[in-house]
Amino acid sequence: DAKTTQPNSMESNEEEPVHLPCNHSTISGTDYIHWYRQLPSQGPEYVIHGLTSNVNNRMASLAIAEDRKSSTLILHRATLRDAAVYYCILRDLNSGGSNYKLTFGKGTLLTVNP
Amino acid sequence: DSGVTQTPKHLITATGQRVTLRCSPRSGDLSVYWYQQSLDQGLQFLIQYYNGEERAKGNILERFSAQQFPDLHSELNLSSLELGDSALYFCASSPRQGGVGELFFGEGSRLTVL
Repeated sequence: DAKTTQPNSMESNEEEPVHLPCNHSTISGTDYIHWYRQLPSQGPEYVIHGLTSNVNNRMASLAIAEDRKSSTLILHRATLRDAAVYYCILRDLNSGGSNYKLTFGKGTLLTVNP
Repeated sequence: DSGVTQTPKHLITATGQRVTLRCSPRSGDLSVYWYQQSLDQGLQFLIQYYNGEERAKGNILERFSAQQFPDLHSELNLSSLELGDSALYFCASSPRQGGVGELFFGEGSRLTVL
């Protein structure tokens, strides 16, 4: 699996935007960029995914660099409930069932201050 | 609520014993994945089943085994337990075998081996 690099931790204030970066310089043309988060004492939760274009959903936005070597997860207004570990994961669309699994790295621990 | 149910939520046992963790996927999901999360190793993929058949294997020990039954629920069997097997075990499900899209995780089973 192609590797991703994320900062170990980030801090934000409540109701401010948060930009969580992810580097994936070895990304291939068929790798989708996925983001999951894990709240304390819970299982991971899907946030968003994309291939080339920027994506928006009710939880967040995903901004993908033109060369696809990096991406940024954007939480538009952080809340205390957004405090979690955020994982950036690459998943190859064409690798078939054996690579449908997610390979988690260390992720970024996001702290949200009231 | 992801729709994935795991039982038991907590389990305490002794070294050398055997335990079974159970997972009921979301209604209609055919794929089930098992993950182990320990403090030092992070989230590690163990094994994937699709419609009753094993599809992918990760870092699963020989002392561990899993199966998916005709009703699509899955069980993870851990035997000859060691202290190092203490961890959170997560089950996830998805509708398909491959491609992109989200995995839905349960809340996990916390295993403590004394």
